[in-house]
Amino acid sequence: GAVVSQHPSRVICKSGTSVKIECRSLDFQATTMFWYRQFPKQSLMLMATSNEGSKATYEQGVEKDKFLINHASLTLSTLTVTSAHPEDSSFYICSASGGLAGANEQFFGPGTRLTVL
Amino acid sequence: GDSVTQMEGPVTLSEEAFLTINCTYTATGYPSLFWYVQYPGEGLQLLLKATKADDKGSNKGFEATYRKETTSFHLEKGSVQVSDSAVYFCALKKAAGNKLTFGGGTRVLVKP
Repeated sequence: GAVVSQHPSRVICKSGTSVKIECRSLDFQATTMFWYRQFPKQSLMLMATSNEGSKATYEQGVEKDKFLINHASLTLSTLTVTSAHPEDSSFYICSASGGLAGANEQFFGPGTRLTVL
Repeated sequence: GDSVTQMEGPVTLSEEAFLTINCTYTATGYPSLFWYVQYPGEGLQLLLKATKADDKGSNKGFEATYRKETTSFHLEKGSVQVSDSAVYFCALKKAAGNKLTFGGGTRVLVKP
């Protein structure tokens, strides 16, 4: 139980285009979803926290207009990287908590590797 | 603010060697402590956790004990396997809220 999926697993796009990454909780209702960014050989940096039906809370230094987060349902959150540039290339990981999975533990997706050319 | 510090890697070991990864934290109150493992190209998986002082988390031969007096949560395994090669992250979560604070990660490479 408590499985989180992400789609796509890898994406390559041209500079200036927008990319949408989906995060789904497959067997529980996630009241809260988190989006992280991980640079090569570095730790996870929390980008934002989203609660279903409300606006995401962004961490300091994260551009909310560039990284659009939508959490429209209890099983789906999306991260859209708008007007992507090479410096946005990274590994993006989501996690989810809530429902039967419990509020005290986060379950992580497998990650999405974004490469911007 | 809250922070987690863990030993830098990479840590290179031979199979069946003893593994220790040090983790110390700074936080007010009584946070919960976690160890996550990340295999190449994958997301994080919870390895073990402890929610209060003196608790011992264990899983897959790994152990870590919540030491409040030394604010530590060191990860140990008595006999590592090649399949244990991964990056290990120590993390804490405050009692209020569900935000995780991660350490920098320690890469472990186990050679046959």
